[in-house]
Amino acid sequence: GENVEQHPSTLSVQEGDSAVIKCTYSDSASNYFPWYKQELGKRPQLIIDIRSNVGEKKDQRIAVTLNKTAKHFSLHITETQPEDSAVYFCAAQDNYGQNFVFGPGTRLSVLP
Amino acid sequence: KAGVTQTPRYLIKTRGQQVTLSCSPISGHRSVSWYQQTPGQGLQFLFEYFSETQRNKGNFPGRFSGRQFSNSRSEMNVSTLELGDSALYLCASSLGGHLNEKLFFGSGTQLSVL
Repeated sequence: GENVEQHPSTLSVQEGDSAVIKCTYSDSASNYFPWYKQELGKRPQLIIDIRSNVGEKKDQRIAVTLNKTAKHFSLHITETQPEDSAVYFCAAQDNYGQNFVFGPGTRLSVLP
Repeated sequence: KAGVTQTPRYLIKTRGQQVTLSCSPISGHRSVSWYQQTPGQGLQFLFEYFSETQRNKGNFPGRFSGRQFSNSRSEMNVSTLELGDSALYLCASSLGGHLNEKLFFGSGTQLSVL
């Protein structure tokens, strides 16, 4: 079955700097890759997603890149702000559309 | 449109007891998935229901079971609770399990087993 690895597990950046979180997946049949942000005590919320027919997607300060050949995808946050502090989860959905496998999460701390 | 609703928000049980958690999906969503979240373990997939049928199951013991009703509401049951079952249990809903559908999470039920 699918396995998703995520690095780093923790990340601290200064406010205004960029943050990059990387995920790798094992099943080449996976074709949908969402990213979720979970603030302390709150539900995970979808922040951006990418489909396998696209190499990059941007939404304001957030971008995701996908390398299907290497089976990895990354989340890029530019001009980080304190409210970006949260746990970020990547996920991969299999080609049958029935199952999401999540990475273990990255705890991002943005220091003022 | 109301989001995914989970009840109760908090539960405290003792070892050996059983517990039932409830999840009401977003209106119109027919797929409900359940996840266990523990510190350092991320989100572990329990099972997924669609049209009252379990379509997919994760690697959890048979003590963990679920069901879905005709209105798409879902319940998860854990029998013979163990200390290690203490976790945040999240449910998520999507339209119908088609490719590339967005998954929406509830706020979770925090279960503590003493």
